[in-house]
Amino acid sequence: AQSVTQLDSQVPVFEEAPVELRCNYSSSVSVYLFWYVQYPNQGLQLLLKYLSGSTLVKGINGFEAEFNKSQTSFHLRKPSVHISDTAEYFCAVSDVNRDDKIIFGKGTRLHILP
Amino acid sequence: NAGVTQTPKFRILKIGQSMTLQCTQDMNHNYMYWYRQDPGMGLKLIYYSVGAGITDKGEVPNGYNVSRSTTEDFPLRLELAAPSQTSVYFCASGPPTLNTEAFFGQGTRLTVV
Repeated sequence: AQSVTQLDSQVPVFEEAPVELRCNYSSSVSVYLFWYVQYPNQGLQLLLKYLSGSTLVKGINGFEAEFNKSQTSFHLRKPSVHISDTAEYFCAVSDVNRDDKIIFGKGTRLHILP
Repeated sequence: NAGVTQTPKFRILKIGQSMTLQCTQDMNHNYMYWYRQDPGMGLKLIYYSVGAGITDKGEVPNGYNVSRSTTEDFPLRLELAAPSQTSVYFCASGPPTLNTEAFFGQGTRLTVV
């Protein structure tokens, strides 16, 4: 079964600094990959997704992620963070070849320091 | 657009009480899900449904029941509430191609005392 590992439970970053949130998934089969963001006291919303094609995926709010099949990774990056990026970020994966559910990681809480 | 609507937003239950968490979506999605979110534990799937009349267990179904009589509605029932069910519950829906996206409701914060 698929699993997702988010290596950092919390990441503190100074405002306007770059950030990378790490995500690795377990299986080498064909996958769809997602990053979701959850702002305080809200539901999750989709930040970006990789379904096929270019391995560099651009999402909302200046975020991007790169799919690396050999390393089974899908790290999320932003070149310059803003205080409004304070949120919890979830990586998720689903199996292309199975009509199955999306599996979520445990989340990474991004703290933006002034 | 309403999207996925959950009610109530907050609820306190006593041990042994029952309640139903409501979820409705207006996007004509076939797939619907219930997750629970506990601090530092991510999202765990409780039940999901691939269409009206069809439901299936997720990772943590014990203590919960669901039904899917219409495409729009997917209520989650707690029959005998326990403190371990204190959590934030999220309903989500997805288009027929299951694994391309999930749309989430705002959540229900449930406390069992």
